[in-house]
Amino acid sequence: EIVLTQSPGTLSLSAGERATLSCRASQSVSNSHLAWYQQKPGQAPRLLIYGASSRAPGIPDRFSGSGSWTDFTLTISRLEPEDFAVYYCQQYGSSSGTFGRGTRVEIK
Amino acid sequence: EVQVLESGGGLVQPGGSLRLSCAASGFTFVNYAMTWVRQAPGKGLEWVSSVSGGGGSTFYADSVKGRFTVSRDNSKSILSLQMNSLRAEDTAIYYCAKDLSYGVVTPQELWGQGTLVTVSS
Repeated sequence: EIVLTQSPGTLSLSAGERATLSCRASQSVSNSHLAWYQQKPGQAPRLLIYGASSRAPGIPDRFSGSGSWTDFTLTISRLEPEDFAVYYCQQYGSSSGTFGRGTRVEIK
Repeated sequence: EVQVLESGGGLVQPGGSLRLSCAASGFTFVNYAMTWVRQAPGKGLEWVSSVSGGGGSTFYADSVKGRFTVSRDNSKSILSLQMNSLRAEDTAIYYCAKDLSYGVVTPQELWGQGTLVTVSS
């Protein structure tokens, strides 16, 4: 089973700053089958990125994903007030859909 | 409107059973795999189970394998999760989600609001 480790656990930033979130896999993720989700309190998760770097429909271009094999990154170029939330990475396609433990992006 | 709506959650005793349902609308149900994801109170997301569009392929997390069964009725656009031998650690909000495509596990692009399952005596 692939284990995903997200870092940091919490990221404290101000609106307008750049956020860089990391997701590291315990073994290679085939075909870059890596997704990112955003979850706000009391809400269901929202798909942001799939295939490591493809934005889901309706997702602003300030969100970008990169990486391959075992190291992946979600970048938010300039934080908007509505971006403060918890972000999860997920590997999929190997008959499972394991999530990482999440990174909380909070207002500094 | 494209949406999925869960139902069937509630309080159940350890060792008991519960059946969750998810009604889909606004899209061609058979064309998409469907997935259940759960979230324990104050915790992260846990993938539980997925089923292919035709229903012939099913996948489970090790934590629920042998106790939970996922199924779908494509004629009614309904996804189900039969949960048996429930444990306290199964307590969570259970989300139904539409996958990006038909086949094996893919990302979840549309989520319901979830239904709460509480396992307690």
